[in-house]
Amino acid sequence: AQSVTQLGSHVSVSEGALVLLRCNYSSSVPPYLFWYVQYPNQGLQLLLKYTSAATLVKGINGFEAEFKKSETSFHLTKPSAHMSDAAEYFCAVSDGGNNNDMRFGAGTRLTVKP
Amino acid sequence: SAVISQKPSRDICQRGTSLTIQCQVDSQVTMMFWYRQQPGQSLTLIATANQGSEATYESGFVIDKFPISRPNLTFSTLTVSNLSPEDSSIYLCSVGIQGYGYTFGSGTRLTVV
Repeated sequence: AQSVTQLGSHVSVSEGALVLLRCNYSSSVPPYLFWYVQYPNQGLQLLLKYTSAATLVKGINGFEAEFKKSETSFHLTKPSAHMSDAAEYFCAVSDGGNNNDMRFGAGTRLTVKP
Repeated sequence: SAVISQKPSRDICQRGTSLTIQCQVDSQVTMMFWYRQQPGQSLTLIATANQGSEATYESGFVIDKFPISRPNLTFSTLTVSNLSPEDSSIYLCSVGIQGYGYTFGSGTRLTVV
């Protein structure tokens, strides 16, 4: 069975600083990996996904993530944080194919200080 | 990508009653997934619903409490039965579409009083 672990339940950065949200996965087969964002009182929005193509994945709102098999990681980064990036971020894994369920990490709450 | 219409968006229910949540997808999908998001927490998979067969439930979730119907390839319902305050959560359905990834419904915010 697959799983993900998000390191750090809360991350705080200053506006304009680098955003780094960490995610490590466990999967017995090549994984599909996802990052979702959830703004307060809103639904989930897909930021980006890795599905065994390019290891560096670019998503919406300037976010990107790099799949590193040797480190079993899929960390989310953004060069310069905006106040509007403050939200809850979830890493998720599937074992491939869209008939397979998705497992979510515990989430990381990002705070952006002015 | 697929579009999911989930209803109701929110409800306030009395203890001991039941709430049925509906998800309608604009394309045919084999599997639909139901998740629960308790306040301040991540999403937990409740069950996987395949058309024409019984849903498969995750550990900690049982059919008597969370009966699921999947009458066709575009529709599913989740019922939360015998409600208690601990059931107050957001419930979401999800589908995976080949080539597009996973899409989630907008969620149903349930408050049990």
